[in-house]
Amino acid sequence: AQKITQTQPGMFVQEKEAVTLDCTYDTSDPSYGLFWYKQPSSGEMIFLIYQGSYDQQNATEGRYSLNFQKARKSANLVISASQLGDSAMYFCAMRGKDTGTASKLTFGTGTRLQVTL
Amino acid sequence: NAGVTQTPEFQVLKTGQSMTLQCAQDMNHEYMSWYRQDPGMGLRLIHYSVGAGITDQGEVPNGYNVSRSTTEDFPLRLLSAAPSQTSVYFCASSHGDGSGAQHFGDGTRLSIL
Repeated sequence: AQKITQTQPGMFVQEKEAVTLDCTYDTSDPSYGLFWYKQPSSGEMIFLIYQGSYDQQNATEGRYSLNFQKARKSANLVISASQLGDSAMYFCAMRGKDTGTASKLTFGTGTRLQVTL
Repeated sequence: NAGVTQTPEFQVLKTGQSMTLQCAQDMNHEYMSWYRQDPGMGLRLIHYSVGAGITDQGEVPNGYNVSRSTTEDFPLRLLSAAPSQTSVYFCASSHGDGSGAQHFGDGTRLSIL
């Protein structure tokens, strides 16, 4: 079974500062993918970044980077230069690579990020 | 670029009524899934499909049925609505190679009275 743990229910960050949202995971799959999604107050799920378990480098997408530490089973999201529009709920999720697990995302409970002036 | 389209956007039902939530995708994705999101929680998987004609149960399947007659469509049926099924329902799709993101629809906000 797969499990995602996000231990920070809420975070505050000042505009233009960097922030790290924590995510740890547990899985028995030898190959898996890790995702971060953003859910603004309007409710839609927006894909931010993906990290494959065998990727050699940490994933980056613009201001988002994923600090992947496989031995520690952590996949923290780093947002650089925070903007007011980054205020939202952030979910960490994972899925396996096998047919049985690749179609299923397991989500954490989320971290609510508030960016302040 | 429609992506994943869910209808309706909002719905109010009475206990015991049945209804179908529609989901369609135009990206030729093999995999489709239904999730529910309850307040303060992440998304939980209801049912999923790895291709036309193939469906399976997720974490919270009770009270829901699905079918996948075409690659594009994956409707979710509530058989006899209960107040515990009040939730936001998301449909998602992805390619079948296990990489890349699941693309989500905008959600259906369902209230059962």
